[in-house]
Amino acid sequence: NAGVTQTPKFQVLKTGQSMTLQCAQDMNHNSMYWYRQDPGMGLRLIYYSASEGTTDKGEVPNGYNVSRLNKREFSLRLESAAPSQTSVYFCASSEQRHRTDQPQHFGDGTRLSIL
Amino acid sequence: GENVEQHPSTLSVQEGDSAVIKCTYSDSASNYFPWYKQELGKRPQLIIDIRSNVGEKKDQRIAVTLNKTAKHFSLHITETQPEDSAVYFCAATPRDAGNKLTFGGGTRVLVKP
Repeated sequence: NAGVTQTPKFQVLKTGQSMTLQCAQDMNHNSMYWYRQDPGMGLRLIYYSASEGTTDKGEVPNGYNVSRLNKREFSLRLESAAPSQTSVYFCASSEQRHRTDQPQHFGDGTRLSIL
Repeated sequence: GENVEQHPSTLSVQEGDSAVIKCTYSDSASNYFPWYKQELGKRPQLIIDIRSNVGEKKDQRIAVTLNKTAKHFSLHITETQPEDSAVYFCAATPRDAGNKLTFGGGTRVLVKP
């Protein structure tokens, strides 16, 4: 039972390059989330998916796209990377119960540097 | 949307003393308040959470209190140990917001032996 697995762990890109960050969970959770964490700041929600087939914007969605491939997997894509997107990216998942919020479980993060 | 402010940003305590971190939130509809601990280079890990129908919750050396009227909640760590050194984040989410958390800016806690 690995929990939430993110790949890659580290990545360096040049400005304008594209890449996809992968996330998979094996806890049978319905909801999945992508956050970014900048130095000295809390986590900010980029996108989330309440269930397979649905996605919704969070606080900072500009410059990103997501795909909920199936119940286990939720990917984050940078189409044209910019230096401002240098950050640590965390994926999380949680159960979904009607009108009751559940704890989110985080992956180990992807450290992304854009030159 | 929700706004969460967290204080202090850094906290240094002597081993064995207590540590208190305070958070305020803006959305009166918020009803779920988790606390996460993040060690350097690691993932955030849930340490305790509280829902709006409860005023206080304890788990060994950790406790959280919630004041809905004042819209603030606090984390209390008693008998601090060096392994409590980490960054702590509070968060809040309104009911029916799809469990979308808004995080505070974090508190770096250093426990000096």
